[in-house]
Amino acid sequence: AQRVTQPEKLLSVFKGAPVELKCNYSYSGSPELFWYVQYSRQRLQLLLRHISRESIKGFTADLNKGETSFHLKKPFAQEEDSAMYYCALSNYGGSQGNLIFGKGTKLSVKP
Amino acid sequence: DVKVTQSSRYLVKRTGEKVFLECVQDMDHENMFWYRQDPGLGLRLIYFSYDVKMKEKGDIPEGYSVSREKKERFSLILESASTNQTSMYLCASSLAGGGAKNIQYFGAGTRLSVL
Repeated sequence: AQRVTQPEKLLSVFKGAPVELKCNYSYSGSPELFWYVQYSRQRLQLLLRHISRESIKGFTADLNKGETSFHLKKPFAQEEDSAMYYCALSNYGGSQGNLIFGKGTKLSVKP
Repeated sequence: DVKVTQSSRYLVKRTGEKVFLECVQDMDHENMFWYRQDPGLGLRLIYFSYDVKMKEKGDIPEGYSVSREKKERFSLILESASTNQTSMYLCASSLAGGGAKNIQYFGAGTRLSVL
């Protein structure tokens, strides 16, 4: 079955420390993975996707097919990174483009 | 910019009431989705639609129905609201197809309280 697992409900780090939000997936085909972020009082929005291999707000995520992981990393956390982060897997079986979301990790960056 | 608009930010309803949550998108997207978001449970898909008048059940459709009469509008209906339907409801839309088209754009959410 297709599944996304985010093992940490809450991750707390100090400003300037490295941060890694973990995401593991199970999927039989070629996965398409995303990270979404929700800042306080804002709507859920795309942070990055593995296809584009880009760095957004200093965050990167590398797809590791051997470990079925798509961990989100940032070398130096900032207070404004505090938010809820969701990893998502595209359940692409045609044109419908459903996403399967993990349960989310709340990142708290302390001053 | 893609705009997904949910008609209400906050709603308070009584048990047994029929509740309508409305969602409109302005980017001519084929796909539209309704999720509920609960702490510790993440986002769970209620229903989705990939075309006008088409609908598919998601993971938790019980107690809900949907309507998509026009491409830009997707309504979520709680036929008889119950307290366990108190939640944040998120609407999203996306283009049809893979790759970048799978990016979903979300509304601001409707926080529904059923008393």
